[in-house]
Amino acid sequence: IAGITQAPTSQILAAGRRMTLRCTQDMRHNAMYWYRQDLGLGLRLIHYSNTAGTTGKGEVPDGYSVSRANTDDFPLTLASAVPSQTSVYFCASSSGTGGESTAQYFGPGTRLTVL
Amino acid sequence: GQNIDQPTEMTATEGAIVQINCTYQTSGFNGLFWYQQHAGEAPTFLSYNVLDGLEEKGRFSSFLSRSKGYSYLLLKELQMKDSASYLCAVKDSNYQLIWGAGTKLIIKP
Repeated sequence: IAGITQAPTSQILAAGRRMTLRCTQDMRHNAMYWYRQDLGLGLRLIHYSNTAGTTGKGEVPDGYSVSRANTDDFPLTLASAVPSQTSVYFCASSSGTGGESTAQYFGPGTRLTVL
Repeated sequence: GQNIDQPTEMTATEGAIVQINCTYQTSGFNGLFWYQQHAGEAPTFLSYNVLDGLEEKGRFSSFLSRSKGYSYLLLKELQMKDSASYLCAVKDSNYQLIWGAGTKLIIKP
């Protein structure tokens, strides 16, 4: 593994189903983030984690949950998917030590369609 | 509320220079980032400004004026591969990134 990986690459999901998007990084970064990106809108933060064992809510957390059991993994769960959650989901991480080193590095994304 | 404004789309010619502007209104300021995002791909980090002035990285430069809430990304000697969206993001008082919607740059031969 080099950098951040996400799985699956894409998924079509029936409304009401539960889905977990996986994210793994091997850079030993403390901070991790989940964003959604919709056409015409900026990236919107769903949840974040500043360090293993802690999580926080971003701008659009409703309908999503996260956990951070260890440094490397940060899964995002949709408990009961709805069509408005159709989007491209990006996981990102940063070392969080200050200045330019707080730049976030992104995984390749998961394209999710909820029907 | 917090707001980042960028032009939606710009067109430029291969070999030319283009300036992409970003204005922001945020609760606090702890740095400004520029990212490049090719269609269907993830954003990639380009530059970081926290002090006023110009930061140069090869063909790309980024400028910041904190008093004006303004930044620009300058791309020189444009190449076809520079066709992409350019995202401006500001780190606010809570150290969270607030993102602009991005500027789609189209390069014509």
